[in-house]
Amino acid sequence: EIVMTQSPATLSVSPGESATLSCRASQSVSRDLAWYQQKPGQAPRLLIYGPSTRATGIPARFGGSGSGTEFTLTISSLQSEDFAVYYCQQYNNWPQTFGQGTKVEIK
Amino acid sequence: QVQLQESGPGLVKPSGTLSLTCAVSGGSISSSYRWTWVRQSPGKGLEWIGEISHSGYTNYNPSLKSRVSISVDKTKNLFYLNLASVTAADTAVYYCARDLDGSGWLHDQWGQGTLVTVSS
Repeated sequence: EIVMTQSPATLSVSPGESATLSCRASQSVSRDLAWYQQKPGQAPRLLIYGPSTRATGIPARFGGSGSGTEFTLTISSLQSEDFAVYYCQQYNNWPQTFGQGTKVEIK
Repeated sequence: QVQLQESGPGLVKPSGTLSLTCAVSGGSISSSYRWTWVRQSPGKGLEWIGEISHSGYTNYNPSLKSRVSISVDKTKNLFYLNLASVTAADTAVYYCARDLDGSGWLHDQWGQGTLVTVSS
C-alpha cells in the first residue's frame, strides 16, 4: 500500500500568519489527494480534494496544490478555529491511506 | 443534511468479535453513496476499514479482510461492522462515514466516533 508521510509533525504558528503543510506519497498518486481537518474530540472534516478543490463551506484561506508525490496545504491568515490536526489521504491506489497528521498549534 | 451515529459495546474481550452499528438519519441508506468504516488509533492513525455500497457491494482493507464484515439493513437505515478475533491492536475510535459522490474515496459526512477498547 502507499505510505503517506506528512511534515512537520507539529507546526507552531501565530494567529494571522500563514502555514504550509507538506504531504509526500511513497509513489505517485496523480492528483488523487485530499486533506482533512480534525479538532479534539471530533471526527475528521473534509477540507480539500483533487488536490485543490475546496469542499462545501470551506473558506478560501485554505488552498491545496501538488501532483504525483508532493502535495501542499496552505492556510493563509490563520484563525483561532484553524488550530487543529491536518491529515492527507491518497485515493489513487487501493486501499486508500492516510498520513500521520500535522498538528498546527498556537505559537 | 445526513447524520450518522455509531453505537455498540465500548469494551470487547480479546479473541472476541467487535460489533458496531451506524444509524443514518436525514437521508436514505439506499441512495447512491458508499458507507464506510474508518478507525483511529494512536499507533496507526487513521485507517480505512471497508465500505458497502447502496447495492450491497463490499470492499475491505486487505490488512483486515479475513476478519471484517460490513452489512446493511435498508429497512432500518442502518449499516454494521463486525471485526472478529480482536486483539489490543484493534483498540481505537471507530467512525462510520458517507462518501461525497458515490466513489467511496472522499468522506464528507462522519459520525462522532465511538471508542472501543479490547481488554480482558
